[in-house]
Amino acid sequence: GENVEQHPSTLSVQEGDSAVIKCTYSDSASNYFPWYKQELGKRPQLIIDIRSNVGEKKDQRIAVTLNKTAKHFSLHITETQPEDSAVYFCAASKWYSSASKIIFGSGTRLSIRP
Amino acid sequence: SAVISQKPSRDICQRGTSLTIQCQVDSQVTMMFWYRQQPGQSLTLIATANQGSEATYESGFVIDKFPISRPNLTFSTLTVSNMSPEDSSIYLCSAPLTNTGELFFGEGSRLTVL
Repeated sequence: GENVEQHPSTLSVQEGDSAVIKCTYSDSASNYFPWYKQELGKRPQLIIDIRSNVGEKKDQRIAVTLNKTAKHFSLHITETQPEDSAVYFCAASKWYSSASKIIFGSGTRLSIRP
Repeated sequence: SAVISQKPSRDICQRGTSLTIQCQVDSQVTMMFWYRQQPGQSLTLIATANQGSEATYESGFVIDKFPISRPNLTFSTLTVSNMSPEDSSIYLCSAPLTNTGELFFGEGSRLTVL
């Protein structure tokens, strides 16, 4: 089955700097790669996703890149702000198939230093 | 927007007992997913609950320990049976509420087993 690896497990950056989180997946048939943000005591919420037919997607300060050949994808947060402090999870799925479950990476705890 | 609600939100249980968690979605969904999130850990998929068929369990999870019901397209239950302290965790139900693939989560049920 699918296996998603994520690193780093913790990341501390100065406010205003950029943060990068990287993930790799094992199943070359996966075609949907969402990123979730989980604040302390809250439920995970989708912040951005990318499908296998594109290599990059951007939404304001957040961008995601996908390298299908290498089977890895990354989350980039620019101009970090205190409210970006949270745990971020990458995930992979074979969406729109009979096995459309989403498998999550191990998570990255991002801390923004003032 | 569509909502997923769970109950109980938290409970303290005695070793050897069982607890059933309920998940209600305010729209009809084909698939519902049950995840476990141990303290400080990632989201581990327990099983996929499909209406009208048996749940599909992930490796390491068995029906006798985590029986699941899915009586209709808006409701599911997960029972944690014969609990031990190792079952202390947050259990989250989730479902794709749109056709984009985004997974929405309930607020979680925090179980503590003494």
